[in-house]
Amino acid sequence: DIQMTQSPASLSASLEEIVTITCQASQNIGNWLAWYQQKPGKSPQLLIYGTTSLADGVPSRFSGSRSGTQYSLKISRLQVEDIGIYYCQQASSTPLTFGSGTKLEIK
Amino acid sequence: QVQLKETGPGLVQPTQTLSITCTVSGFSLTSYYMQWVRQTPGKGLEWMGFIRSGGSTEYNSEFKSRLSISRDTSKNQVFLKMNSLKTEDTGVYYCARSKFITTVAPFDYWGQGVMVTVSS
Repeated sequence: DIQMTQSPASLSASLEEIVTITCQASQNIGNWLAWYQQKPGKSPQLLIYGTTSLADGVPSRFSGSRSGTQYSLKISRLQVEDIGIYYCQQASSTPLTFGSGTKLEIK
Repeated sequence: QVQLKETGPGLVQPTQTLSITCTVSGFSLTSYYMQWVRQTPGKGLEWMGFIRSGGSTEYNSEFKSRLSISRDTSKNQVFLKMNSLKTEDTGVYYCARSKFITTVAPFDYWGQGVMVTVSS
């Protein structure tokens, strides 16, 4: 199975700050990487797919990138509504696997 | 608009069978993959399996032979059945739709989830 190692586990940042979350894949997954945001008490919502493509309705302050087998989610100017837990997911092969999550809070 | 809603028991006894129904609207089950994902305190988000638009299934081997996914296209429903439940199976169970017709992931629509507690 492909392991997705996500970091950091938690993150506290100030409004308008740049935030970066990373996921390291245990093997090559190409661009088969998605990011989800889960707000308290809600189901996960798709943010980014195919490593860099924004899902419908997602603000442009969110972006995704890749360097080898390391994938990053960047929030360019943190807003209050961005608090929640962020997960990466690889879709290169089954079993599909998720990262362990990054809890994002406002400082 | 696209909607997914899970219904199922809140409490299941150990060794018993879990049955959850996902009722969808706004799209056809014959056009999209449908997924089951659970979220447990012990393992976080776990992909359980899917049923393809054509009706075939694939499961996470983690669940071995305990899991079964099926559907009734006439009722716009997808079903999850998992037997031999253990306390570690306690968590929230979600159904989700694959965004693209031809690929397994990502998942663009999720149900609200159903909380399942396994306890005697």
